[in-house]
Amino acid sequence: AQTVTQSQPEMSVQEAETVTLSCTYDTSESNYYLFWYKQPPSRQMILVIRQEAYKQQNATENRFSVNFQKAAKSFSLKISDSQLGDTAMYFCAFWLNTPLVFGKGTRLSVIA
Amino acid sequence: GAGVSQSPSNKVTEKGKDVELRCDPISGHTALYWYRQRLGQGLEFLIYFQGNSAPDKSGLPSDRFSAERTGESVSTLTIQRTQQEDSAVYLCASSSPYLSTDTQYFGPGTRLTVL
Repeated sequence: AQTVTQSQPEMSVQEAETVTLSCTYDTSESNYYLFWYKQPPSRQMILVIRQEAYKQQNATENRFSVNFQKAAKSFSLKISDSQLGDTAMYFCAFWLNTPLVFGKGTRLSVIA
Repeated sequence: GAGVSQSPSNKVTEKGKDVELRCDPISGHTALYWYRQRLGQGLEFLIYFQGNSAPDKSGLPSDRFSAERTGESVSTLTIQRTQQEDSAVYLCASSSPYLSTDTQYFGPGTRLTVL
């Protein structure tokens, strides 16, 4: 069974700075998808970014980018120019023909 | 278009009562998922519907939990004889496997409190 580990329960960053959230996973498969979801206090899960494992190029979405290291089974999220609205729980998730498998999340606080 | 909607937004019930939670997926999405999120935790998979196939119930924690889905539309999650340990946010998500991605889009959740 796949597992997802987020080793940082909480992080904080100054507004306009850059922060990186870590995620590692375990699978024996070679083709799969990885996601980062954001959950603000409103509790709505919002897709931040997705990565197909067969693509070597790291996904980017505006201020959000990932560092996907397939051999190391690592999928970190970098948030550039952090904004107060980025304050939320961030969940890393794995998908392969099954329901999503989530990590326990990282609580990110952006400080003015 | 409209996103995934869930009702009620919040539900407070007494131990032992039955509750029904509703999910309206995005129109055209054939897959529907229910997850449970306990306070401060990640999401736990409960049940998965894909079109007219038999649902994947492997995540249901006990026989007090059940879910139904009418075709490719609304789903109802029912919890019978609720216990305090059932208190959590119940999230629904839908996706369309017929596209190149199976990205799941989530509803706002129902916060269930069992007194």
